[in-house]
Amino acid sequence: GQQLNQSPQSMFIQEGEDVSMNCTSSSIFNTWLWYKQDPGEGPVLLIALYKAGELTSNGRLTAQFGITRKDSFLNISASIPSDVGIYFCAGQGGAGGTSYGKLTFGQGTILTVHP
Amino acid sequence: NAGVTQTPKFRVLKTGQSMTLLCAQDMNHEYMYWYRQDPGMGLRLIHYSVGEGTTAKGEVPDGYNVSRLKKQNFLLGLESAAPSQTSVYFCASSFRTSGGAVFFGPGTRLTVL
Repeated sequence: GQQLNQSPQSMFIQEGEDVSMNCTSSSIFNTWLWYKQDPGEGPVLLIALYKAGELTSNGRLTAQFGITRKDSFLNISASIPSDVGIYFCAGQGGAGGTSYGKLTFGQGTILTVHP
Repeated sequence: NAGVTQTPKFRVLKTGQSMTLLCAQDMNHEYMYWYRQDPGMGLRLIHYSVGEGTTAKGEVPDGYNVSRLKKQNFLLGLESAAPSQTSVYFCASSFRTSGGAVFFGPGTRLTVL
């Protein structure tokens, strides 16, 4: 199925560093969602974005809904070891979507944080 | 609130056996979904439901059936399991509004031998 272009695919950083990852699409979306998945667990919703241009924070996490509605980024500030995991973006609704909550996912960014 | 719960957490089946995966949510969500996650394939939608008594096919529905007899429960059935159905299965739910945040369960890891 369709996937979003998420980059980078993986990141190796030192504890305390900031992290940035982004997703782009050829289709517009009405909603962008960012999830974190730990090994053996389900995706956990981090941030939901509902309006183009919206900038939302959740603790050390900040995400923005692109003006064109075709992209979004997620920043993590001052990373800590428990930030390790796979981060997924997901788009919902818009020209390529439907009225129900079908999600189009990015491929994921694998984050490794060295103490 | 427990959110979205799934049972069982792990299961091993032999080819041809049947089983039902159970999903429950306590958030009063109208929409419920079943996804499967495979390496290199990401999350793919199997079936979904927009309300009690309704179901619809997603991207990869073949070999699966679903039922939504109660608003809070969504069942995924495998009538005759195949090795290609070895995967991690996630249930999810959301409110009806287009663009409502989707919440996932912890997953069921299924192996078909």
